[in-house]
Amino acid sequence: KAGVTQTPRYLIKTRGQQVTLSCSPISGHRSVSWYQQTPGQGLQFLFEYFSETQRNKGNFPGRFSGRQFSNSRSEMNVSTLELGDSALYLCASSSSSGLHDTGYTFGSGTRLTVV
Amino acid sequence: AQSVTQPDIHITVSEGASLELRCNYSYGATPYLFWYVQSPGQGLQLLLKYFSGDTLVQGIKGFEAEFKRSQSSFNLRKPSVHWSDAAEYFCAVAPYNNNDMRFGAGTRLTVKP
Repeated sequence: KAGVTQTPRYLIKTRGQQVTLSCSPISGHRSVSWYQQTPGQGLQFLFEYFSETQRNKGNFPGRFSGRQFSNSRSEMNVSTLELGDSALYLCASSSSSGLHDTGYTFGSGTRLTVV
Repeated sequence: AQSVTQPDIHITVSEGASLELRCNYSYGATPYLFWYVQSPGQGLQLLLKYFSGDTLVQGIKGFEAEFKRSQSSFNLRKPSVHWSDAAEYFCAVAPYNNNDMRFGAGTRLTVKP
């Protein structure tokens, strides 16, 4: 069974630009969550999608948005990039049964650098 | 809202020695509890999880964790550490029947030869 796939692995963008990151969950998993990881703030929850609906949301500005498609693949978008958005962005998926079943399975992440 | 505290930022142990990583959580009810491990530049790997039942949970790679409701703790243990265990370890909490998982700040483990 293929794991969680995130593309691209590395990305360099300029301040003010926007970026889209992609995540393909494990086959059959319908819940997808996104996390931002930085040395200073650690792992911070961005949002969770389930069956194309945002179900949970963290404390990030509206520049951070996401969506989920009918095949459960998810994208997150960051508009008007700031230097502080430089981070490892991690995607995680879980089965429909919930976290008690499989927990979250994480992808390897997308390393975003804003210059 | 739930929160997780990992009091130790960095721990160094000798190879073959025992290990205990601390985790305290704050939540109104018994949450779902997890331990994850992350190697440099990689995603997170699930070591073990607790939902209910036996308070001593066995995981992968020889790790175990004990849930203590009275202390709001979920400490991770390993009887004998291997050099390959050097990594960052994260404790996480999620509400019952909800996928909103929150992580502690992590504990970096260094293993001395």
